Amino acid sequence: DAKTTQPPSMDCAEGRAANLPCNHSTISGNEYVYWYRQIHSQGPQYIIHGLKNNETNEMASLIITEDRKSSTLILPHATLRDTAVYYCIVRVQGDYKLSFGAGTTVTVRA
Amino acid sequence: NAGVMQNPRHLVRRRGQEARLRCSPMKGHSHVYWYRQLPEEGLKFMVYLQKENIIDESGMPKERFSAEFPKEGPSILRIQQVVRGDSAAYFCASSASSGLREQFFGPGTRLTVL
Repeated sequence: DAKTTQPPSMDCAEGRAANLPCNHSTISGNEYVYWYRQIHSQGPQYIIHGLKNNETNEMASLIITEDRKSSTLILPHATLRDTAVYYCIVRVQGDYKLSFGAGTTVTVRA
Repeated sequence: NAGVMQNPRHLVRRRGQEARLRCSPMKGHSHVYWYRQLPEEGLKFMVYLQKENIIDESGMPKERFSAEFPKEGPSILRIQQVVRGDSAAYFCASSASSGLREQFFGPGTRLTVL
């Protein structure tokens, strides 16, 4: 019952912006979009989340389409240390379970 | 501020032995979650605990697995009579409250069953 669809992998050049797409066409009005990443052999790391407005923090920007059926995580200046699996997760308010799918394996190349 | 601590980082057990995994949440966090990541798979929710209470253990196997979060001390995930299929990375996360608050993950314990 995957709620999100992400490409399995993508490459990005170091120093360039990385744009990670996520499709969540069945998202409900009270569901938020969360992004986590997992660097090899480490625990997942929270990146950002949003409901319908675009969000930005020190790590990334989150762009959510007006119909909320898809979103894009933007890493503005990718570094080699951004190589990781990125997970897009849809989460309803009050739901404490994080459901991790396969994610997108992002490889940043020098 | 120390993050979520887990120990041991690596644990090797023979079939039939017991495995005890410990998790100390971030300071001020009273909500603890355990997740399991089997090889080449995504993380799966196992159990959610608050101090001295199990809130949701719907993701825990019905047998051999148990979890606790005592009033004092770390949360413990206990696996009795381990089998090879229990080999996985076990991650603990904590949050300041439930719901939408972000969960902070520890480095994980990698269990290998010989």
